[in-house]
Amino acid sequence: DIQVTQSPSSLSASVGDRVTITCRASQSISSYLNWYQQKSGKAPKLLIYGASGLQSGVPSRFSGSGSGTDSTLTISSLQPEDFATYYCQQSYSSPYTFGQGTKLEIK
Amino acid sequence: QVQLQESGPGLVKPSETLSLTCTVSGGSISSYYWSWIRQPPGKGLEWIGYIYYSGNTNYNPSLKSRVTISLDTSKNQFSLKLTSVTAADTAAYFCARHKGAGHNLTPYDYWGQGTLVTVSS
Repeated sequence: DIQVTQSPSSLSASVGDRVTITCRASQSISSYLNWYQQKSGKAPKLLIYGASGLQSGVPSRFSGSGSGTDSTLTISSLQPEDFATYYCQQSYSSPYTFGQGTKLEIK
Repeated sequence: QVQLQESGPGLVKPSETLSLTCTVSGGSISSYYWSWIRQPPGKGLEWIGYIYYSGNTNYNPSLKSRVTISLDTSKNQFSLKLTSVTAADTAAYFCARHKGAGHNLTPYDYWGQGTLVTVSS
């Protein structure tokens, strides 16, 4: 199985801050890396697909980059509704695996 | 707008079979891959398996011996069966669609709201 490791596991930030979350795969996954946002009690929501593709309806303050083993999710200016848990996921090969999550909290 | 809705018992006894159904509305089940994903309380996400509208399936090896995913195209539904459950199978179970018709190496663009299944006597 491909292991996917996110860092940090938690993060405190303020409204307006720029935030970056990193995901590292145990082997090259090309650009088959996706990012989700999950709020408490809700289903995950797709933000970024194929490492850098912005899902329809997602604000442009969210962006993704990377390929190979390393990818990043950046939120350019945090809004109050962005405080949630973020997961990366590799869709390069089955079993499709998720990172352990990054909980983004208000400072 | 595509919508997915999970249904099934919220409580299952140890050693019994967990059975859930996902009903797809606002779009056809045809031409897409459909997955089940679960999340134990307070923990991360685990992919369980997928089914293609043709009936082709692929399961997570960690669960393969206990999992069956099937579909009913006439009802626009697909289902999950997980046998011999234990407390470790207690989780929120989500159904989801793979983005892009005919593609399985893609993320999940539509999700059900999730249903909590508790394994307890």
